[in-house]
Amino acid sequence: AQSVTQLGSHVSVSEGALVLLRCNYSSSVPPYLFWYVQYPNQGLQLLLKYTTGATLVKGINGFEAEFKKSETSFHLTKPSAHMSDAAEYFCAVSEYGGSQGNLIFGKGTKLSVKP
Amino acid sequence: NAGVMQNPRHLVRRRGQEARLRCSPVKGHSHVYWYRQLPEEGLKFMVYLQKENIIDESGMPKERFSAEFPKEGPSILRIQQVVRGDSAAYFCASSPQAGNEQFFGPGTRLTVL
Repeated sequence: AQSVTQLGSHVSVSEGALVLLRCNYSSSVPPYLFWYVQYPNQGLQLLLKYTTGATLVKGINGFEAEFKKSETSFHLTKPSAHMSDAAEYFCAVSEYGGSQGNLIFGKGTKLSVKP
Repeated sequence: NAGVMQNPRHLVRRRGQEARLRCSPVKGHSHVYWYRQLPEEGLKFMVYLQKENIIDESGMPKERFSAEFPKEGPSILRIQQVVRGDSAAYFCASSPQAGNEQFFGPGTRLTVL
């Protein structure tokens, strides 16, 4: 069965600093991986996704993530944090791998950005 | 707004009452997923439906919960005889095909008194 672990339920960075949010997954099939962002009292918005091909994936708002099969990781990064990046971030893997069905989510990481 | 719509956004029920949550997918999307988010937890899959069919309900509690996605109209998640543990945010997502990106609605926040 697929699973996702997000290290660190809370991460705090200064404005302009590097953002690194960690995600490790477990999957018995080639995974499809996703990062979503959730602002308070809102739904989830897709930041980026990895399906196949290039392992470095660029998303919206300057975020990117690298799929590392050997490390079973899909960490999310942004070179320079902005105040508007403060939100909760969820890593997810498709349950059946590939393109099928529902998503399995990590518990989320709340990102705080200090001025 | 062509996105996923959910209503109501907030719902308060007393223990034992019924809760009915509605989800209108993106126009043209025939795949609907329901997820539940408990406080301090990530989203947990509940049920996956296509028009008039339940495809996967492995995440749905066996009792009191049911879901439908009729040929016409929104998808409905129904919780009978609610208990305090049902208090959570319920999110609906839709996609045009299985495996395509899922677009999430703003959620319904259910509070059971």
